[in-house]
Amino acid sequence: DTGVSQNPRHKITKRGQNVTFRCDPISEHNRLYWYRQTLGQGPEFLTYFQNEAQLEKSRLLSDRFSAERPKGSFSTLEIQRTEQGDSAMYLCASSPAGGGQPQHFGDGTRLSIL
Amino acid sequence: AQTVTQSQPEMSVQEAETVTLSCTYDTSESNYYLFWYKQPPSRQMILVIRQEAYKQQNATENRFSVNFQKAAKSFSLKISDSQLGDTAMYFCAFMNLASGTYKYIFGTGTRLKVLA
Repeated sequence: DTGVSQNPRHKITKRGQNVTFRCDPISEHNRLYWYRQTLGQGPEFLTYFQNEAQLEKSRLLSDRFSAERPKGSFSTLEIQRTEQGDSAMYLCASSPAGGGQPQHFGDGTRLSIL
Repeated sequence: AQTVTQSQPEMSVQEAETVTLSCTYDTSESNYYLFWYKQPPSRQMILVIRQEAYKQQNATENRFSVNFQKAAKSFSLKISDSQLGDTAMYFCAFMNLASGTYKYIFGTGTRLKVLA
């Protein structure tokens, strides 16, 4: 169990640029989640994958956000035309199948918009 | 919609003492799990303890235990014999098993500082 890996750890970009984050879940986990955490708040759900299928997207995920999980392995989260309000920590988590299974989190990617 | 409330933004405790962090939630569901996660500064979220709503017995993991009051929709975390390494943000999370996605709904967190 090598844990959930996220890259990059930090991303600084100018407003209007596109950014992409990567998440490598624990290999045997078929469920993958993206959350966003702003300062002083708890993480908020963004989207969920079961294997390669994206089964739920939060209303927080505007049209500028897109997520993929090709072949049910790693996942990418892309933000187009970044805005100041996108500055946050983006967390990825994975879990095995079955209700009640705890999610395992990565270290997160901190996005700062200049 | 479910909500999770952590009413204590910050707490402190002396090393070796006991501290209790509170969490309340609101749901009309009957089949769910509750979790406590720890997030040390600049480090990843780590599971502390989980409780299935159908189990009346309170969960315990070493120095960590919960007081689960289902009717009151309360889920507090007790940390006994506090250690300096317990200094972290603590998040309470709700998982609705009827949702099918098993996503978490988090509270806003409690920042705990253990004092030497």
